[in-house]
Amino acid sequence: GESVGLHLPTLSVQEGDNSIINCAYSNSASDYFIWYKQESGKGPQFIIDIRSNMDKRQGQRVTVLLNKTVKHLSLQIAATQPGDSAVYFCAENKAGNQFYFGTGTSLTVIP
Amino acid sequence: DAGVIQSPRHEVTEMGQEVTLRCKPISGHNSLFWYRQTMMRGLELLIYFNNNVPIDDSGMPEDRFSAKMPNASFSTLKIQPSEPRDSAVYFCASSWGGGREKLFFGSGTQLSVL
Repeated sequence: GESVGLHLPTLSVQEGDNSIINCAYSNSASDYFIWYKQESGKGPQFIIDIRSNMDKRQGQRVTVLLNKTVKHLSLQIAATQPGDSAVYFCAENKAGNQFYFGTGTSLTVIP
Repeated sequence: DAGVIQSPRHEVTEMGQEVTLRCKPISGHNSLFWYRQTMMRGLELLIYFNNNVPIDDSGMPEDRFSAKMPNASFSTLKIQPSEPRDSAVYFCASSWGGGREKLFFGSGTQLSVL
């Protein structure tokens, strides 16, 4: 999972396997969550979002799960590809407030 | 759509010099955000504008930092004087919906203060 600090969590997966990236968010009042992907030398890129009235949302090869009881968010990537190698951030937002980003998880896909 | 455009992509300057970073948000977006990214602190919000008006600048480190948004299509972040600890990647992002919708980020400016 993610934590504020010096160390970036890492995850290595074989190409074709499924990946699960976890995020523990901090504010129980947060009601909007986004996953971003950041490739080296680029800005964060939107992947998928979910609002607190949902538990699950699916996109193309990606699924986000939200567990409000334990303040946990996860990103599942199906059939992981080398192009999925990047740093993944979760961001939380509370109504009337700014987005707060975690420090990210580095995903490496092994061909 | 060209996306959020930032310039310059890289800036190397000496301590004490003035640095100006520029951003053109996506047309039609009404909110603009300046973030700083470092390995130690991750992505930090410096300031954000809604309809060209600064809403929250509590993340601006100190008086050496200032930001302006003279119109809906342009914003600047200025550091004067710059210090080595300002070295980081600075991102501009824009969104519609007053910051309650997803942010679209530019490619960033890599700033190195020697």
